[in-house]
Amino acid sequence: AQSVTQPDIHITVSEGASLELRCNYSYGATPYLFWYVQSPGQGLQLLLKYFSGDTLVQGIKGFEAEFKRSQSSFNLRKPSVHWSDAAEYFCAVGDRYNNNDMRFGAGTRLTVKP
Amino acid sequence: ETGVTQSPTHLIKTRGQQVTLRCSSQSGHNTVSWYQQALGQGPQFIFQYYREEENGRGNFPPRFSGLQFPNYSSELNVNALELDDSALYLCASSPGQNPTDTQYFGPGTRLTVL
Repeated sequence: AQSVTQPDIHITVSEGASLELRCNYSYGATPYLFWYVQSPGQGLQLLLKYFSGDTLVQGIKGFEAEFKRSQSSFNLRKPSVHWSDAAEYFCAVGDRYNNNDMRFGAGTRLTVKP
Repeated sequence: ETGVTQSPTHLIKTRGQQVTLRCSSQSGHNTVSWYQQALGQGPQFIFQYYREEENGRGNFPPRFSGLQFPNYSSELNVNALELDDSALYLCASSPGQNPTDTQYFGPGTRLTVL
């Protein structure tokens, strides 16, 4: 079964600085990959997803992620962080043959310093 | 706003009791998935329903059960509550059975078991 590792539990960046959140996955074939954001008291909101094709994926709120098969990674990036980006970020991997088996990482909490 | 609502927002129960959590999916979404998110963890898949039939189940015991209704509402029932059942319970709806369908999450129900 697939699995996801988010190595960083907590990251702090200054407002306006760039951001990269790491995600590593384990899956036997080309995975379906997702990044979600969760603000306090909110459900999960999809930022972006990768199924196939161009390995650089653009999402909402200025986020992008790059799928690197050789590194089994799907890191999330943003060139300039805003205070409103402070939240919990989850990477998830889906099974392309079993649409109900989505595995989430433990999340990375992002703090933004003024 | 995802159009997915959950009730109640918060709930406190004692060990051994039973609880029912409710979810209202987006209109037209035939698939609903339920997740358990323990504190500091990513969501874990409980089960999925498609057109009122259970369509897949994660590693949860039978005391976790569900129902889906024709009006796009669904329920998660948990019997014989245990302390470890304390968590945020999320439902997510999607249009169909395609693994590439986006799941839209509700804000969750925070269950505390004392």
